[in-house]
Amino acid sequence: GENVEQHPSTLSVQEGDSAVIKCTYSDSASNYFPWYKQELGKRPQLIIDIRSNVGEKKDQRIAVTLNKTAKHFSLHITETQPEDSAVYFCAAGDNFNKFYFGSGTKLNVKP
Amino acid sequence: DAMVIQNPRYQVTQFGKPVTLSCSQTLNHNVMYWYQQKSSQAPKLLFHYYDKDFNNEADTPDNFQSRRPNTSFCFLDIRSPGLGDAAMYLCATSTVYNEQFFGPGTRLTVL
Repeated sequence: GENVEQHPSTLSVQEGDSAVIKCTYSDSASNYFPWYKQELGKRPQLIIDIRSNVGEKKDQRIAVTLNKTAKHFSLHITETQPEDSAVYFCAAGDNFNKFYFGSGTKLNVKP
Repeated sequence: DAMVIQNPRYQVTQFGKPVTLSCSQTLNHNVMYWYQQKSSQAPKLLFHYYDKDFNNEADTPDNFQSRRPNTSFCFLDIRSPGLGDAAMYLCATSTVYNEQFFGPGTRLTVL
């Protein structure tokens, strides 16, 4: 089955700085890579996703890059704000949208 | 508003006493998922339904069962809850090839 590894487990940045979270996956058949943000006590919410036919996708301050050859993908958040503080999960999935989560990164943005 | 609803939000049960968690959706999505999320961990997929087809994860204990009587509803039955089953249980829905929408979760406490 798919194995998704995520680093770092915790990340602390100053407000306005950039944050980068990295994930690797094992199953070359995976073709869908979503990123979810989960605030304390709340449900995971999709913030951005990328499919295997695309190398990069950007949505305002958030971008995701995918390297299929190396089987890794990354989340980039620029100009971080305190409200970006949360746990971020990457995931890798297959054609039927069954996907597996990474272990999560707790991001702390210091004002 | 179209959404994923979980009931109850908080469930307390006794060791060994069966419990049923409920999920309903107004999104008319054909795929429904159940995840278990323990504190500070990633959501772990237990099983999912693709329409009426049930797909169990290999490492989901037999203690966990699911029913999907129609498109809108899906139930998680825990036949004999143990202390280790205390967790947040998340329901999610999707259409094929698209993002998963999560419900607010049911926090299960086992006494």
